[in-house]
Amino acid sequence: DIQMTQSPSTLSVSVGDRVTITCRASRSISNWLAWYQQKPGKAPKLLIYKASTLESGVPSRFSGSGSGTEFTLTISSLQPDDFATYYCLQSDAYWTFGQGTKVEIK
Amino acid sequence: QVQLVESGGGVVQPGKSLRLSCVVSGFIFNEYSMHWVRQAPGKGLEWVAVMSSYGSNEYFADSVKGRFSIARDNSKNTLYLQMDSLTVEDTAMYYCARGSGRLQLWLNPVDYWGQGTLVTVSS
Repeated sequence: DIQMTQSPSTLSVSVGDRVTITCRASRSISNWLAWYQQKPGKAPKLLIYKASTLESGVPSRFSGSGSGTEFTLTISSLQPDDFATYYCLQSDAYWTFGQGTKVEIK
Repeated sequence: QVQLVESGGGVVQPGKSLRLSCVVSGFIFNEYSMHWVRQAPGKGLEWVAVMSSYGSNEYFADSVKGRFSIARDNSKNTLYLQMDSLTVEDTAMYYCARGSGRLQLWLNPVDYWGQGTLVTVSS
């Protein structure tokens, strides 16, 4: 089984900050990595797939990078609507989510 | 637009069974694999199961293997999750979600999600 390790678990940030979240896979998953945003009481929303492809309608301040075992989600300038929990998902072999990163107000 | 609507959740005693349903609209159901993903209260997301577009393949997380089964009725645009021998650890919001690859099971993440249905296992 592929394990996904996401860090940090919590980020305390301010509006306008640059935010970076990392996901590491226990073995290479090529670029089969997606990122989701989840707000309280809501279903997750797909942001990025194939490590770096922005889903239609997602603001360009979100970007993804990486391949193999290390991946990054970056929010270039955090907006008030971006306070949420973010998850990575590998789909190279079955499907495994990271533990999540809560982005909270500093 | 794409819509997924789950139902069937509720409170059930340990050891009992429950069947969840997910009715979809807005896309050609039999062209997409369909997943169940769950989230225990205050916890992260856990992939549970997937069924291929025509129902010929199904796969489960180890945590539910042998207790849960998945089915779909393409004539009714409906996905099911049969949950047997439930334990308190199965308490969660259960989401159905669409596999993003048309006619492709593997390598694709999920894209569209339902709003979830809550299952509580308690005596």
